[in-house]
Amino acid sequence: GDSVTQMEGPVTLSEEAFLTINCTYTATGYPSLFWYVQYPGEGLQLLLKATKADDKGSNKGFEATYRKETTSFHLEKGSVQVSDSAVYFCALRDGGGSNYKLTFGKGTLLTVNP
Amino acid sequence: DTGVSQNPRHKITKRGQNVTFRCDPISEHNRLYWYRQTLGQGPEFLTYFQNEAQLEKSRLLSDRFSAERPKGSFSTLEIQRTEQGDSAMYLCASSLGGLQVGGELFFGEGSRLTVL
Repeated sequence: GDSVTQMEGPVTLSEEAFLTINCTYTATGYPSLFWYVQYPGEGLQLLLKATKADDKGSNKGFEATYRKETTSFHLEKGSVQVSDSAVYFCALRDGGGSNYKLTFGKGTLLTVNP
Repeated sequence: DTGVSQNPRHKITKRGQNVTFRCDPISEHNRLYWYRQTLGQGPEFLTYFQNEAQLEKSRLLSDRFSAERPKGSFSTLEIQRTEQGDSAMYLCASSLGGLQVGGELFFGEGSRLTVL
């Protein structure tokens, strides 16, 4: 079945540091890929997405590129801020055309210190 | 606030009791989803409604679980004869279109269940 593997957390960085959170996936067909973020006390929010190979999703300074050859969708940001402290989830929608189900990774807790 | 609303936010119950959670989706959204999230894990799909019709149920949804969306608006998730393994965060989400056509999921803040 479909699965998503994220790097183990927690990740602790200083403000303005470079961020990478690794995400790899196993899926049939050509899945769509997502990053969701959960800020403290809030619900999950879509951060960015990519629907086909080589697409780059971007939002709020975060980027991730859909790499079919390495089955990866790593999240990056060049300079993190304290306000980026949150839990980040990588997710996929299977390539079989499911219109209702996302498969999530376990999440990575990011803490950014001033 | 016009986001997805869930109630109660936290429920503590004794094993064997029944509990019910309510979800009010964004008003124009016709699709509604329930997920479960346990500690250290990502959300896992439970069930999905399109309008009032429940179209898909995960194998995670045992016969002690029942979900309804009677008028295609709010939804309830009931757990009968709760067990300690039911302790989790229950997340509700809604979308305007199906995910296949790029519909974005909007999540509520979740209802945390603790079974003693």
